[in-house]
Amino acid sequence: DTEVTQTPKHLVMGMTNKKSLKCEQHMGHRAMYWYKQKAKKPPELMFVYSYEKLSINESVPSRFSPECPNSSLLNLHLHALQPEDSALYLCASSQTGTRNEQFFGPGTRLTVL
Amino acid sequence: QQQVKQSPQSLIVQKGGISIINCAYENTAFDYFPWYQQFPGKGPALLIAIRPDVSEKKEGRFTISFNKSAKQFSLHIMDSQPGDSATYFCAASMLSGTASKLTFGTGTRLQVTL
Repeated sequence: DTEVTQTPKHLVMGMTNKKSLKCEQHMGHRAMYWYKQKAKKPPELMFVYSYEKLSINESVPSRFSPECPNSSLLNLHLHALQPEDSALYLCASSQTGTRNEQFFGPGTRLTVL
Repeated sequence: QQQVKQSPQSLIVQKGGISIINCAYENTAFDYFPWYQQFPGKGPALLIAIRPDVSEKKEGRFTISFNKSAKQFSLHIMDSQPGDSATYFCAASMLSGTASKLTFGTGTRLQVTL
């Protein structure tokens, strides 16, 4: 199984809502990533978890809160988002260490009204 | 120093032609150079990757050429097909803690015409 799954596929939320994005992988990877991708732009790294611990936070606003409950799951909790946060949110996973492929999920298309 | 520069921004190639996309980097700490293909509404998928101690890698119709001294690498798609129409991202990876950190190029939108 070389698949990363993400739910939901689409999410529309108001600026006062709280919602969560979910990501799951069963490849035994111990590194998991959240990226944000705006239209016609490359993915931008947000967070990296390694061995279920947050290892990189790319100065992401606190309205985005990641969580790694176990080695297969990664969540992104959203609260008080702004319209400019509308984007495709991608999850990826990889083996730890160097020179390892990152496998991406299909993404969640988020619209903030 | 973290940037990866990619060109061209867009490319139109006739079916059967060769598509060439170029990338350049500055940081010599990068140690792995993958190319990703992304279709609209989908996540990026790894196409082919190369290590800096190799000058060329070929997988089917896709070839990476790597010039370590010039800090440049390129993707060649031979016999381009309409199904290859997608956005292509080069990337450079380095170890950050125990995980790999990818820096993406700006992307190339490839259109293969009949």
